[in-house]
Amino acid sequence: NAGVTQTPKFRILKIGQSMTLQCTQDMNHNYMYWYRQDPGMGLKLIYYSVGAGITDKGEVPNGYNVSRSTTEDFPLRLELAAPSQTSVYFCASSFGGYTEAFFGQGTRLTVV
Amino acid sequence: AQRVTQPEKLLSVFKGAPVELKCNYSYSGSPELFWYVQYSRQRLQLLLRHISRESIKGFTADLNKGETSFHLKKPFAQEEDSAMYYCALSDTGNQFYFGTGTSLTVIP
Repeated sequence: NAGVTQTPKFRILKIGQSMTLQCTQDMNHNYMYWYRQDPGMGLKLIYYSVGAGITDKGEVPNGYNVSRSTTEDFPLRLELAAPSQTSVYFCASSFGGYTEAFFGQGTRLTVV
Repeated sequence: AQRVTQPEKLLSVFKGAPVELKCNYSYSGSPELFWYVQYSRQRLQLLLRHISRESIKGFTADLNKGETSFHLKKPFAQEEDSAMYYCALSDTGNQFYFGTGTSLTVIP
């Protein structure tokens, strides 16, 4: 049972480059989330989705975009990478209200 | 607005000593509270949640609505408890709000 799978695990980007962080889940969860984890700052919600075709902004959406064309996939797009986007990114999914969130292993992104 | 506050970034206790990780929240409705744990080089995973009232790995947490707290407790800390602990709040269902985390070190 794979759960939530994120790729890549590590990536180094140059300023201005673009990339997509992939996230897929096999639990048929409607809700999916993207968080970033900065040292001493906890997890901040970037974007979330309550179902295919529906996305919404979280606390820190600037510089990111998402799409949700299927229930399983929720990719996060960085269009013009900036050093401030250096962080660890976590994807998560859940059935919905008041239920447990399952997390991916994280993607460590460095922008230089 | 900060919905979940964990006042301690670092906490060290000796093996066998009691441990309490503090969590306070701010929410006007009826939230669901969780504790997540992240062991070294592993993904975040659920430790326990308020609604299930379980005791996982010896940890318990009681929701105190009057003090808006959900502190995590264990009577006797073990070395394998060393990890990062996050308190989280789920509101009407769309979002999870996480605290800044407490890094627990259990000293042998």
